[in-house]
Amino acid sequence: KAGVTQTPRYLIKTRGQQVTLSCSPISGHRSVSWYQQTPGQGLQFLFEYFSETQRNKGNFPGRFSGRQFSNSRSEMNVSTLELGDSALYLCASSYRDSSRETQYFGPGTRLLVL
Amino acid sequence: TQLLEQSPQFLSIQEGENLTVYCNSSSVFSSLQWYRQEPGEGPVLLVTVVTGGEVKKLKRLTFQFGDARKDSSLHITAAQPGDTGLYLCAGAGGSARQLTFGSGTQLTVLP
Repeated sequence: KAGVTQTPRYLIKTRGQQVTLSCSPISGHRSVSWYQQTPGQGLQFLFEYFSETQRNKGNFPGRFSGRQFSNSRSEMNVSTLELGDSALYLCASSYRDSSRETQYFGPGTRLLVL
Repeated sequence: TQLLEQSPQFLSIQEGENLTVYCNSSSVFSSLQWYRQEPGEGPVLLVTVVTGGEVKKLKRLTFQFGDARKDSSLHITAAQPGDTGLYLCAGAGGSARQLTFGSGTQLTVLP
């Protein structure tokens, strides 16, 4: 069974631009969670989607948004990029409830904002 | 807000030495997971512990869940350079509806 895939793997943007990252979960998994990882803050939860509905949201500004499609694939969007948005963005999938089940992580998208 | 504190933050040891990483919280978790992450990759699950007092062994790695399900430890025996990586603990359940991650322990094992 294929693992979680994320595209693109690397991305360079400039301040003020917007970016869309994509995540394909493990086949059969319906929950997709997004995390931001930085050296200073560690892994921080962004949001979780289950069956196309945002089920949980972390403490990030409204510039960070996401959605999930009927095939469970998910995208996250960051608008008006800031230098501080440079990070590794990780997607994780689980079968049902991400707060109680094992999450499987993708390799991440490394975003650099110049 | 649930918090998980990991210690130490950085650890550099020689091959063959033993080490222990700690993960502590004031909150109770229904389960606790340990991940290892290598540069440029996502975290990979090592183990999940669910019962207070539980001890799990995976080859040279021993994981323990505290009796009160508020803390956990990871002990590595005879560390090898291949053990190098970022070790993350993550608590599931409790009052938060998402996985709560610790700040991580960056382990470097020198040959």
